[in-house]
Amino acid sequence: DTEVTQTPKHLVMGMTNKKSLKCEQHMGHRAMYWYKQKAKKPPELMFVYSYEKLSINESVPSRFSPECPNSSLLNLHLHALQPEDSALYLCASSQDSGHSYNEQFFGPGTRLTVL
Amino acid sequence: GEDVEQSLFLSVREGDSSVINCTYTDSSSTYLYWYKQEPGAGLQLLTYIFSNMDMKQDQRLTVLLNKKDKHLSLRIADTQTGDSAIYFCAEKNAGNMLTFGGGTRLMVKP
Repeated sequence: DTEVTQTPKHLVMGMTNKKSLKCEQHMGHRAMYWYKQKAKKPPELMFVYSYEKLSINESVPSRFSPECPNSSLLNLHLHALQPEDSALYLCASSQDSGHSYNEQFFGPGTRLTVL
Repeated sequence: GEDVEQSLFLSVREGDSSVINCTYTDSSSTYLYWYKQEPGAGLQLLTYIFSNMDMKQDQRLTVLLNKKDKHLSLRIADTQTGDSAIYFCAEKNAGNMLTFGGGTRLMVKP
């Protein structure tokens, strides 16, 4: 299984809602990533988990809260988002964030719209 | 800091070769990557090159690396309509994280 899966595929939420994005991989990877991608822009790194511990937080607002329940799962909890948070949220995984090769496998993304 | 730049757009005819260019600034980059993104989809790793190589070929794809000029290119031979997508180059930075270029939109005309 060389796939990273993400659910849901699309999500529409209001500014007062609480929702979660989910990501799963069964490749035995120990590093998982959240990226945000706005239209016609490259992905921007948000968070990195390494061995289930948060290792990088790229100064992301607290309305985004990541969680890594186990080595295969990565969640992104959303609360009180703003319309400008609308974007494609991509999850990725790699063998190990410290490995020099570090090929990252990306999921298909969740298209988030905040009304 | 690191900076990776690409031209925004490239249009070619089906059957022609496409060459997508990328420049980067971090001379300590160890690996450089090319990703493809189709509309509404995630990123697919196409190929990569280690910084001590100057060329890598994989079927229709040829990657050229000029480390002195910090210039990377991706050549797609016999470009097909299915190759229409956005292509991102990325470098591995000192923290082992990826820095992406802005992406080049490739349009293939029949």
